[in-house]
Amino acid sequence: GAVVSQHPSRVICKSGTSVKIECRSLDFQATTMFWYRQFPKQSLMLMATSNEGSKATYEQGVEKDKFLINHASLTLSTLTVTSAHPEDSSFYICSASQGDYGYTFGSGTRLTVV
Amino acid sequence: AQSVAQPEDQVNVAEGNPLTVKCTYSVSGNPYLFWYVQYPNRGLQFLLKYITGDNLVKGSYGFEAEFNKSQTSFHLKKPSALVSDSALYFCAVRDMEGAGTASKLTFGTGTRLQVTL
Repeated sequence: GAVVSQHPSRVICKSGTSVKIECRSLDFQATTMFWYRQFPKQSLMLMATSNEGSKATYEQGVEKDKFLINHASLTLSTLTVTSAHPEDSSFYICSASQGDYGYTFGSGTRLTVV
Repeated sequence: AQSVAQPEDQVNVAEGNPLTVKCTYSVSGNPYLFWYVQYPNRGLQFLLKYITGDNLVKGSYGFEAEFNKSQTSFHLKKPSALVSDSALYFCAVRDMEGAGTASKLTFGTGTRLQVTL
């Protein structure tokens, strides 16, 4: 079946630094990828939708200059958290669309900013 | 706007008993509905989806869901629960905007299923 690889699974960084999270579709081409943020014991909050070769569409309230999304190829999308602060600590999950109403999710990245 | 409601924060069931996790939805047109399961510190795993066709959808790990258009519901069920089914379950509906391209999913708030011996 379709597999989405998300890396790293866990990262700890110092406040003020930037962190990059990668999301790769391993056996299919993903024209569209989605980035979510999940707080403890809460649902997934969609942050942005990225389409290959174009700018990401951010949800209301999400700072596009802080959460940089790049979708340079049909198999790779990256989320960079710039100048991270403790309040950015969260669980980030990517999802890739296969176009036939299928959505495959990565295993998530636990970001801790200290 | 599309929305999904999962009225129960937690469902407790004994192993071997049937389980139901409730989900209701609101969409302007035809709904595309999904169930996902999440284990601790993991991403979401697909269980099943309803696009069209039979109202009873069978999915992974023995789960099934029944689409009820009149009640706008899509409850998740399993005839006999296992302790290993304990996890967080999300119902989701596909956003109808941008039909023909990949559209975003709207998730419910999640229901924690606890299966005990």
